[in-house]
Amino acid sequence: AQSVTQLGSHVSVSEGALVLLRCNYSSSVPPYLFWYVQYPNQGLQLLLKYTSAATLVKGINGFEAEFKKSETSFHLTKPSAHMSDAAEYFCAVSSSGFQKLVFGTGTRLLVSP
Amino acid sequence: NAGVTQTPKFQVLKTGQSMTLQCAQDMNHEYMSWYRQDPGMGLRLIHYSVGAGITDQGEVPNGYNVSRSTTEDFPLRLLSAAPSQTSVYFCASSYKVPSGSPYEQYFGPGTRLTVT
Repeated sequence: AQSVTQLGSHVSVSEGALVLLRCNYSSSVPPYLFWYVQYPNQGLQLLLKYTSAATLVKGINGFEAEFKKSETSFHLTKPSAHMSDAAEYFCAVSSSGFQKLVFGTGTRLLVSP
Repeated sequence: NAGVTQTPKFQVLKTGQSMTLQCAQDMNHEYMSWYRQDPGMGLRLIHYSVGAGITDQGEVPNGYNVSRSTTEDFPLRLLSAAPSQTSVYFCASSYKVPSGSPYEQYFGPGTRLTVT
């Protein structure tokens, strides 16, 4: 069975500071990994996805994530936080097959001036 | 394209009432799914469909029914609402990808349901 663990239900940063949201996965087969963002009262939007083509994945809004197989991690980073980045972020894992997308519990990013 | 649309945005039901959450997509996606989102639990898959006439259960199917008579629509039915079904419900769709590639899901804006 596949699973993801997101460390920290809330992360607070100051505007301009580094953003680091942690995601560790468990999978018995090579995984596909995703980061989604959810702004208040909205649906989920795909930030980026790992598909084995490259270990460092760049997404929208300046976010990127690095796949580290040895650490079973796929942490999300952004060099400089903006107020508009305040949202909830979900890591998700899947193998082949449409139905096997499993989400983490989410991390709420708070950005202070 | 409107993408994935859901109606209603908000709904309050009494225990035992029934209702249908509507979901439609105009992207001609073959795959559609329903999730519920609860605090601290992320999104959990309720039911999904890989094409018109084909549906299957996800992680938390009890208390919910679905059908898929057209490619565009995938309604979720609550036959007898319970307080445990208070949640935010998201519909998502995805196009078919080559074998071995990941499915990217497109989400609707959600329906916030309260059962009293």
